[in-house]
Amino acid sequence: DGGITQSPKYLFRKEGQNVTLSCEQNLNHDAMYWYRQDPGQGLRLIYYSQIVNDFQKGDIAEGYSVSREKKESFPLTVTSAQKNPTAFYLCASSIGGSGTEAFFGQGTRLTVV
Amino acid sequence: ELKVEQNPLFLSMQEGKNYTIYCNYSTTSDRLYWYRQDPGKSLESLFVLLSNGAVKQEGRLMASLDTKARLSTLHITAAVHDLSATYFCAVDMSGTDKLIFGTGTRLQVFP
Repeated sequence: DGGITQSPKYLFRKEGQNVTLSCEQNLNHDAMYWYRQDPGQGLRLIYYSQIVNDFQKGDIAEGYSVSREKKESFPLTVTSAQKNPTAFYLCASSIGGSGTEAFFGQGTRLTVV
Repeated sequence: ELKVEQNPLFLSMQEGKNYTIYCNYSTTSDRLYWYRQDPGKSLESLFVLLSNGAVKQEGRLMASLDTKARLSTLHITAAVHDLSATYFCAVDMSGTDKLIFGTGTRLQVFP
């Protein structure tokens, strides 16, 4: 089935550790996105990528890093520099440049313990 | 910087009533999207609005776009409990694919 897969669904991190969240899509989409959602809040853009080997910072990129080595994959690393990483992380993809909507994965809930 | 604001942030309404959610954005764009999110879940696409004057309808929901006023509305007709969710609008900055979401409107429909 075509879609966006995020893994893991739940992730626990100790303070000071880096963790990587996976996002894979088989929709042949060019654009991919990472958002953070805090309880009762909206979505804030962390990073986005329009094509392979290129990505741009969103509004809250500090403490996060990404790579886009393959069209279908856009992993997000939450580094120890991110002071408050506990949140719900959502990955999305879209065709890009065409005005079609973005499709979302099921999300990863990250908790710092 | 693109800002997207929704109001109200919270809406409690009785079944059978009508209401409108508003989405204002701060920069030029002719692409606006509406999404629904159920508690603890991901986002589901509802509408794609791509031009000034665009209107889309699905069931009890109708969305419209006025690019000159930088305003989109999501109108709810004869609300039912199943519509209870959080609704987000999102705007695509022209030529960039940068997709910015509004603050969300949490809708509760009660009998």
